[in-house]
Amino acid sequence: DAGITQSPRYKITETGRQVTLMCHQTWSHSYMFWYRQDLGHGLRLIYYSAAADITDKGEVPDGYVVSRSKTENFPLTLESATRSQTSVYFCASSDLLERETQYFGPGTRLLVL
Amino acid sequence: RKEVEQDPGPFNVPEGATVAFNCTYSNSASQSFFWYRQDCRKEPKLLMSVYSSGNEDGRFTAQLNRASQYISLLIRDSKLSDSATYLCVVNTARQFYFGTGTSLTVIP
Repeated sequence: DAGITQSPRYKITETGRQVTLMCHQTWSHSYMFWYRQDLGHGLRLIYYSAAADITDKGEVPDGYVVSRSKTENFPLTLESATRSQTSVYFCASSDLLERETQYFGPGTRLLVL
Repeated sequence: RKEVEQDPGPFNVPEGATVAFNCTYSNSASQSFFWYRQDCRKEPKLLMSVYSSGNEDGRFTAQLNRASQYISLLIRDSKLSDSATYLCVVNTARQFYFGTGTSLTVIP
């Protein structure tokens, strides 16, 4: 079935390790987004991408790296995980930007020890 | 100041009640507005876009007041299945800003 998937769904890692969260969508949507959701903050945009090889910082990009070599994939890498990066991470995609629906993946729950 | 602010609730209402949520945004240049619904431990899903003229979808009515910079969501005849967290979302300068959400529990 078409849709947006994330992997892994759950991840436990240690401080200082590199972690990559995967996001894959089958709609050929132009835009893809990474958010983190924390109590008291709601969802905050980490990075987004308008097309393959085009990425932009969001509200909270520090400590994260993204790439988009293919339209359908948008991996998020924590280069050296910190405890403050413990969160639920959601990937989303949309066809256009301003007025279009964002479709969210099921989320990845990351715990950094 | 946060881009988007919502009353976190919780709102506990009986079935059949009418409930209203408000959301304020700080940037007058914001371009588009949405309400999303998020069930516990699930991903957010679009409930409805919000237009300047106001819009209705069944039991749900959304309003936008640009002069006062607030957005509202009205739910009539609440159902048990409406229990969720409702997120106000604003698009400003090509970025989406989410409120922290308002929790609604509909009680039998």
